[in-house]
Amino acid sequence: ETGVTQTPRHLVMGMTNKKSLKCEQHLGHNAMYWYKQSAKKPLELMFVYNFKEQTENNSVPSRFSPECPNSSHLFLHLHTLQPEDSALYLCASSQDLGPTGELFFGEGSRLTVL
Amino acid sequence: GQNIDQPTEMTATEGAIVQINCTYQTSGFNGLFWYQQHAGEAPTFLSYNVLDGLEEKGRFSSFLSRSKGYSYLLLKELQMKDSASYLCAVLDSNYQLIWGAGTKLIIKP
Repeated sequence: ETGVTQTPRHLVMGMTNKKSLKCEQHLGHNAMYWYKQSAKKPLELMFVYNFKEQTENNSVPSRFSPECPNSSHLFLHLHTLQPEDSALYLCASSQDLGPTGELFFGEGSRLTVL
Repeated sequence: GQNIDQPTEMTATEGAIVQINCTYQTSGFNGLFWYQQHAGEAPTFLSYNVLDGLEEKGRFSSFLSRSKGYSYLLLKELQMKDSASYLCAVLDSNYQLIWGAGTKLIIKP
């Protein structure tokens, strides 16, 4: 139990589907992150939220749409994805932005786009 | 550009010692992290180095040389449960984390 919970753990979707990934942190942290993890590649930062305000969007395609209704919850809405979007999507949190401390990760949502 | 290099895969024997290297070229430096990630699980924090030298934490130690842009993670008395990927990440001058691709460590009996 890392204090960061992601659902679903596995998701298979077609290119025309719409789905959402959910992340919840129980640590009282102020910053939350979405990362994409592909095999044998570095973690790619997608979005950063601080006190539920988006502070960073790393040139992510608009088919990925984040939502942060409060400091504990983070969503990633998915629509018209491409097969190359298949990856592990990791949510993380930290006490404050620009982590000088550790990041706490969820176990990820494994996405397969057919 | 910014770059973190670490070996893709390493193999070691149970009970032995292994050293996983990480070299970096980044815009500034505000610390280096090591994370462990077991297959299908969340990455978990192992260590943070911001000053040169060796930090020891049980069976795991992490070393940093800022002048050489180099770090290593040393794992002693290897156990089967140490089989995992080890991720190196550097905090740059903008407090952005730059990640390596990870080193998959395989422990054999």
